[in-house]
Amino acid sequence: DQQVKQNSPSLSVQEGRISILNCDYTNSMFDYFLWYKKYPAEGPTFLISISSIKDKNEDGRFTVFLNKSAKHLSLHIVPSQPGDSAVYFCAAPFNTDKLIFGTGTRLQVFP
Amino acid sequence: DTAVSQTPKYLVTQMGNDKSIKCEQNLGHDTMYWYKQDSKKFLKIMFSYNNKELIINETVPNRFSPKSPDKAHLNLHINSLELGDSAVYFCASGATFGPGTRLTVT
Repeated sequence: DQQVKQNSPSLSVQEGRISILNCDYTNSMFDYFLWYKKYPAEGPTFLISISSIKDKNEDGRFTVFLNKSAKHLSLHIVPSQPGDSAVYFCAAPFNTDKLIFGTGTRLQVFP
Repeated sequence: DTAVSQTPKYLVTQMGNDKSIKCEQNLGHDTMYWYKQDSKKFLKIMFSYNNKELIINETVPNRFSPKSPDKAHLNLHINSLELGDSAVYFCASGATFGPGTRLTVT
C-alpha cells in the first residue's frame, strides 16, 4: 500500500520559471513531511520540511505547502535553476521508526 | 566532515557470496536505518536500529542482517547473495542519508 504518492514521474521546466512538485498521502496520522533532493550516484539530501500545524514553510527559493484536508503537499521552486535538476522525494515519518518515501519526481530545468 | 559514511561505494560480487556494507555516523543520533532503492528507484526501509536494538524489520529475507557494534555504526551483512539483491543501499542516521552503496550481483 503506497501511503505516499508522487504521481508525476518527471517534470521539465525552463530556467527562471516555477517548478511545482506534488505529493499525496493517504495516512491521516502523518504529521510531518520532508522533501529530499537526490542527484545520481549520491544519497538523498534533506531539503525542507513542514509540520502539520503549518500550511506553508519557506526557505529561500523553496516553499512547501500543505493541504491537510486534501492530504496533499507541494514543493515550489522559484526561480528554477539548472542545478535544481534532480529527483525529488517527499517522505513522511511513520511510527517514529522510519520514513515512508514517495516514488520520486525527476525534475529537469533547461536553459 | 562526513555525517554519514558508507563503504564500499560500489560492490560487485557473484551469486552465493556473503558480503557486508559498513555505515558510520558522527551525528550522535540514536537511530540508524538501512534503505534499499530498487530498479524502479523506489526507496524502501529495510531495518532500523535504536540503541543497538532492532526495532523494525520489514519483509526482508533473513539473508540480510544488520549488525551494530556501537551506536555510531550499523553494518549490513548479506548472505548467499542473489541476482535480485542488486540495488543501491542507503544507510541513514535520523533524516540524514549516506552516499549509498551500489551492489551488483552477477
